Order: sequence, then structure tokens, then C-alpha cells
Amino acid sequence: QKEVEQDPGPLSVPEGAIVSLNCTYSNSAFQYFMWYRQYSRKGPELLMYTYSSGNKEDGRFTAQVDKSSKYISLFIRDSQPSDSATYLCAMSGLGAGNMLTFGGGTRLMVKP
Amino acid sequence: DVKVTQSSRYLVKRTGEKVFLECVQDMDHENMFWYRQDPGLGLRLIYFSYDVKMKEKGDIPEGYSVSREKKERFSLILESASTNQTSMYLCATYGSGMAQYFGPGTRLTVL
Repeated sequence: QKEVEQDPGPLSVPEGAIVSLNCTYSNSAFQYFMWYRQYSRKGPELLMYTYSSGNKEDGRFTAQVDKSSKYISLFIRDSQPSDSATYLCAMSGLGAGNMLTFGGGTRLMVKP
Repeated sequence: DVKVTQSSRYLVKRTGEKVFLECVQDMDHENMFWYRQDPGLGLRLIYFSYDVKMKEKGDIPEGYSVSREKKERFSLILESASTNQTSMYLCATYGSGMAQYFGPGTRLTVL
């Protein structure tokens, strides 16, 4: 079993839909949680970063962490075709030496 | 903004060639990382470095070496390129709060 599980998709939604992307993890030591967006043939771009449990909102994006369930989510409101990309979750724990554990990524397609 | 640049976006090399991939960051970060990314396998850590002249093996170091002579520059070396090293190579630098910042990637094809 992988430490971080992420449905690879593809997830196809119409423009304007609310998108929910999720990761589950097994290591209870994880404290820092990140979401990256990666366009085709480009490097991952840091989208959201949260520490411990709770929600964080940035424009159309909301990151949610539920440590009791070992489950994190990224919500995208009013999705746009420009949101079409692969979304990677990543996480780290204290004392991990700045090492990140990544999910495999979910490919999202937003259709006009 | 953190800026991480990689020397080439696309590279084609022949089997047995020595290949150098270079990464430069402009934020005076101490920690730098090299990953490769393959479909179905995700991101895999090759090597990382905590400081100048320091290096640590990641999950898949075989066939690779690294060099960190200056703080801003971290090089990945394929001593004798093989076809199974065809991949997307990503450099990253550590920012605050455990987040890493990635370069644009180098897509290497070994023929």
C-alpha cells in the first residue's frame, strides 16, 4: 500500500462545476499538506499549502485537511478550462528533513 | 517569487553518453532536490542536497550522481545514459513550511 493514495482520473467536468480532488494517507506523522498543479510538459506549481487540520481558502480554491480521517481535499469552485491539469497532493512530517511524499496525481479536464 | 531554472527543456542523447542536467535557484535556499517523473510511477526522488558539497541518496540513485559546488546550483549527472533513463527530470528547492518549488523540468530522451 502506498503512503499517499490519489485517484489518477481522468476527472472530466463541465465548465463552472465544483471540483473535488482528494488524497488519503496512512502516516499519522504528516503535518504539512500541499497541493500542486502541473500543466502538461511543465513543472509542478505550488497551489495551496496548509499546516495540520482545517481549511484554507485562496480565491476559487479551498484546501481541507481532516487528520482524524487521514484525508485531504482540494475544492475548485467555478472551474475553468484553464484549470485542466494534473493535481498532485504532497505531505510531510516534522523531522522529515524537508522531504515530501507525493500522491500520483489526478488528471482534471474542464470542458467548455 | 522563487525562481528555479533548468538548463534545458528538451534533450536527446544517445545510449552511453554522459549527460549533465543543471538547476539554478535564486533564493539562497540550502536544500535542493532532483526527481524524475514517469507515467504511472509519479515523482521519485533521485538525490537531494542540504548544503554545498553535501548530497544524500534518494529512492532511486542508481545510475545517477550529483554535484553541488555552489549553493545556487545543483547538477544531476547521468554517467552513462541508458534508454530506461528516458524521463521528465525535475529540480526543486525547499521553501518555507516544508513546501518545495519546482523548475520547469527537462524532458530527456535517450536513444
